[in-house]
Amino acid sequence: EAEVAQSPRYKITEKSQAVAFWCDPISGHATLYWYRQILGQGPELLVQFQDESVVDDSQLPKDRFSAERLKGVDSTLKIQPAELGDSAMYLCASSLFRQMNTEAFFGQGTRLTVV
Amino acid sequence: DQQVKQNSPSLSVQEGRISILNCDYTNSMFDYFLWYKKYPAEGPTFLISISSIKDKNEDGRFTVFLNKSAKHLSLHIVPSQPGDSAVYFCAASGSGNTPLVFGKGTRLSVIA
Repeated sequence: EAEVAQSPRYKITEKSQAVAFWCDPISGHATLYWYRQILGQGPELLVQFQDESVVDDSQLPKDRFSAERLKGVDSTLKIQPAELGDSAMYLCASSLFRQMNTEAFFGQGTRLTVV
Repeated sequence: DQQVKQNSPSLSVQEGRISILNCDYTNSMFDYFLWYKKYPAEGPTFLISISSIKDKNEDGRFTVFLNKSAKHLSLHIVPSQPGDSAVYFCAASGSGNTPLVFGKGTRLSVIA
């Protein structure tokens, strides 16, 4: 069964260090999302890609976060420098493009702990 | 301001009974609604969806009802099973490949 792959599953990093997460969406899915979920909250969108282009990064803290999807397939989300408040689950999801109503499929997420 | 609201943080139901999870939304541009189920340390799993042109969608034990005039939807699980214990997220999107907006979730506990 096709699935969204994310790595690593867990990451512990010290404050002010750099950290990166990787996501490989379901094959053929042109739309890729990065969400952040803080404990007790729902997932919140950080960035949305359509192929290799960013279509929505209005909620991405651009002073420390960056995201890329260079070839329109897999994607990397980077945080530099990490802050204590960045501790959260980082979720990648993908969906088919040009379908008006379609669900997004999520990976297992990366649990980030900043100490 | 939260566009998708799940006002019950938790719900406890006896095995075999009906579970009803509720969700309200404020954005009238939303036209597609979904429920996701999430276990600890895993990503959300798609459960069921409904388009705004319908008021009910059923899939096995799961039924979603949509009341557009009240901007309210609900998920019914009948009969509830212990394996249904998880956090359930309501999500909504508008047309044109807009991203999903999630509620804060409701933790369902099904007691044997």
